[in-house]
Parts: sequence; structure tokens; C-alpha cells
Amino acid sequence: KAGVTQTPRYLIKTRGQQVTLSCSPISGHRSVSWYQQTPGQGLQFLFEYFSETQRNKGNFPGRFSGRQFSNSRSEMNVSTLELGDSALYLCASSLDPGQGQIQYFGPGTRLLVL
Amino acid sequence: KNEVEQSPQNLTAQEGEFITINCSYSVGISALHWLQQHPGGGIVSLFMLSSGKKKHGRLIATINIQEKHSSLHITASHPRDSAVYICAVVTGNQFYFGTGTSLTVIP
Repeated sequence: KAGVTQTPRYLIKTRGQQVTLSCSPISGHRSVSWYQQTPGQGLQFLFEYFSETQRNKGNFPGRFSGRQFSNSRSEMNVSTLELGDSALYLCASSLDPGQGQIQYFGPGTRLLVL
Repeated sequence: KNEVEQSPQNLTAQEGEFITINCSYSVGISALHWLQQHPGGGIVSLFMLSSGKKKHGRLIATINIQEKHSSLHITASHPRDSAVYICAVVTGNQFYFGTGTSLTVIP
């Protein structure tokens, strides 16, 4: 089975722009979670999607949003980018929802905001 | 206030040494994950625990729910074990991460 894939792998944007990141889960996995990793804050949970619905959300502003499609693929969007949004964005998929599931991580999208 | 504390932050070991990484948490949890992150960012889920002990190859993870503590042990360490090891706990529907332990194993 192919692993979790994320596109693009690297991205450079400027402040004020918006960005959309994509995540394709492992075939058969129905839950997708997103995480942000920065040197200062470490790993932080963004949100989890299951059956095209957001199940859980971390403590991030409304500029961060996401969605999930019927084929379980997910996108996350960050609007009005700030310098502090520069980070590695990771998505992970699992068979079923809930953070008690084994999660399989993608390689991440490294976003640099200038 | 950090819900999850890991120690040590950095660890250097000689190849073959037995390694222990500790994770303490302050909240009630339903599960605890140990993750491995290699340079470049890729994360691999090593273990998910809700009680007791799990073993996979040279890796052993234990958890003591009463003491709110988990340990990750690596036996016969190897340079390829060099990575950042991250402890993450599940409470409610939230995931809280430790800051990671950076392990370097010297040949």
C-alpha cells in the first residue's frame, strides 16, 4: 500500500497570501489529522477530519481551516499568512477516528512565509 | 504549562548502549504514543500504549498509568537509531506532544 502523501513538499509564500496544502491518506483510511511543527512550539494538533466532517480542532485561529472529500483526501488552508506560520505541516491518517488510533504520518509540507 | 514533559532533551550514546527516554504527563489520558522523527521531518509511529508494556524488535515501551509516566527503551543502540523521539498523549479528543528527545548514537 502506498503511504500518506502530501503535496506540495515545499512552499514559499509571502505575508498576507493564502495557501492550500493537500493530503492523501493510505487507501482505506478514513480519518485524517493535521499537525503543525515549529522549532519554538514543537508539534501541535490542528484538526481531525472523518467522513468529510471536522471532529476535533486544536487551539489555532480561524485562519486555519480544512476540509475532507468523499475519497478521504484532505486539504488544509491558511489564509492571511503570517511569518509565524512558517512550519512543517504534517498530516496523518488512520483507519478510524480518534486520537487513540495508530497514526501514519506523511512526509510533511515545509512552508516558508517571507 | 506543559501537559507532557520529556527527559532528557538531548542524549548521546555509544553504539550498543541501553537507552531510556522518559515521558511524564499531567493529564488523564486514554492513550500514549511514541513517535520517531528522523532529520528531514518524516515521522514514524513506534508505539501506542494504554497500559502495560509493548516490544518491537530492540524497542520497548512501558507505561504506568497511576504514576503518569512512560518510558521508551532502546536495547543495543545503533547509529541508525539517531533521531528525535516524541511522546504524545491523548486526552479527550486532543493530542498533546512533548518537546522531544534528540538521540545521537555514535559508532
